[in-house]
Amino acid sequence: AQKVTQAQTEISVVEKEDVTLDCVYETRDTTYYLFWYKQPPSGELVFLIRRNSFDEQNEISGRYSWNFQKSTSSFNFTITASQVVDSAVYFCALIAYSGAGSYQLTFGKGTKLSVIP
Amino acid sequence: EPEVTQTPSHQVTQMGQEVILRCVPISNHLYFYWYRQILGQKVEFLVSFYNNEISEKSEIFDDQFSVERPDGSNFTLKIRSTKLEDSAMYFCASRGGYSTDTQYFGPGTRLTVL
Repeated sequence: AQKVTQAQTEISVVEKEDVTLDCVYETRDTTYYLFWYKQPPSGELVFLIRRNSFDEQNEISGRYSWNFQKSTSSFNFTITASQVVDSAVYFCALIAYSGAGSYQLTFGKGTKLSVIP
Repeated sequence: EPEVTQTPSHQVTQMGQEVILRCVPISNHLYFYWYRQILGQKVEFLVSFYNNEISEKSEIFDDQFSVERPDGSNFTLKIRSTKLEDSAMYFCASRGGYSTDTQYFGPGTRLTVL
């Protein structure tokens, strides 16, 4: 079974501060994908990024960056120079590949980020 | 850019009534999913659907739930006799034919059972 833990339930930062959202995962499978989704107040789920278990290269996309460390089973997400529009709930999720299966996402409980102007 | 659509955006129903939530997946996708998010909680997998049949379902997906792809575009979730605890946001998702393809989500249907 897979598990995703997002220990931070809520975080508040002042605009322009950097913020890191933590994600720790558990899986016995050696092949898996990790994801981050954003859920703004309007409620939809917006895909941000996915990484596969064989690629530990960190990734940067504008103000967003992701740090994947297999040694600690973590896939953390950093927002640099946060903006009010970043206020949302952020979900980390996992798909493990162990042969045949529908490969559904296992989500963490989410971290609610509030960026204060 | 292709997107998953869902209707209605909000459905209010009385306990015991049947509801049908509708989704139009991305047109060339082959795998379809329903997830549920009770207010303030995490998103949970309900069921996956491929080649016109259920490929996997969670323990949440009991006999009151059913899914169907009635035509080439729609994908529906039916709840036969709604309960108060069915109140949640229901998300449809779809992906392409490769297991590593990303799942894209629709905007969700908020179901309120009174």
